[in-house]
Amino acid sequence: GAGVSQSPRYKVAKRGQDVALRCDPISGHVSLFWYQQALGQGPEFLTYFQNEAQLDKSGLPSDRFFAERPEGSVSTLKIQRTQQEDSAVYLCASSPPGPQYFGPGTRLLVL
Amino acid sequence: AQRVTQPEKLLSVFKGAPVELKCNYSYSGSPELFWYVQYSRQRLQLLLRHISRESIKGFTADLNKGETSFHLKKPFAQEEDSAMYYCALSAGNNRKLIWGLGTSLAVNP
Repeated sequence: GAGVSQSPRYKVAKRGQDVALRCDPISGHVSLFWYQQALGQGPEFLTYFQNEAQLDKSGLPSDRFFAERPEGSVSTLKIQRTQQEDSAVYLCASSPPGPQYFGPGTRLLVL
Repeated sequence: AQRVTQPEKLLSVFKGAPVELKCNYSYSGSPELFWYVQYSRQRLQLLLRHISRESIKGFTADLNKGETSFHLKKPFAQEEDSAMYYCALSAGNNRKLIWGLGTSLAVNP
């Protein structure tokens, strides 16, 4: 069956530009997670949804980061006024609950 | 503090040799531990979870609460095992994952 998909796969942004990253979870998965993975690091938790409710956003690094999942399915992670330190791979994962299944990630490069 | 430590960034072994990837954790509650693997140009995928107590692709991992470890082992490494391996801890009510830095395993012919 279809796994978690993310788009775009690659994004180059100029510093100060806004970006939107999309995640399509596995159909029927209740939980959705976003992680940020900097080069040479393990993933770091950003935020968590249960259906449409954002229950934990403690990992969002600043108020420039915003995530939503309005209908409890597709989620969007938005980064406003991007900075160079935002360059990373952004991973989305969904779970039934249970083990988390990951998308391929979006590699963001901010110049 | 909740933390996962993978002390080796890179581990290089020869085909057929035993391999052990180390993982230690720090967590005050009852942890759930996982190993994820990322092959070249592929997404992260679940390899093992401690509650399953199963062997996948010849790999096993045992949770040792006394030593707070969850080391990944395989008796005979294969070239196709070359990949990045991450140990992760499931924490809190929302089960977010806390990750180690990863160990890159290279199995040489």
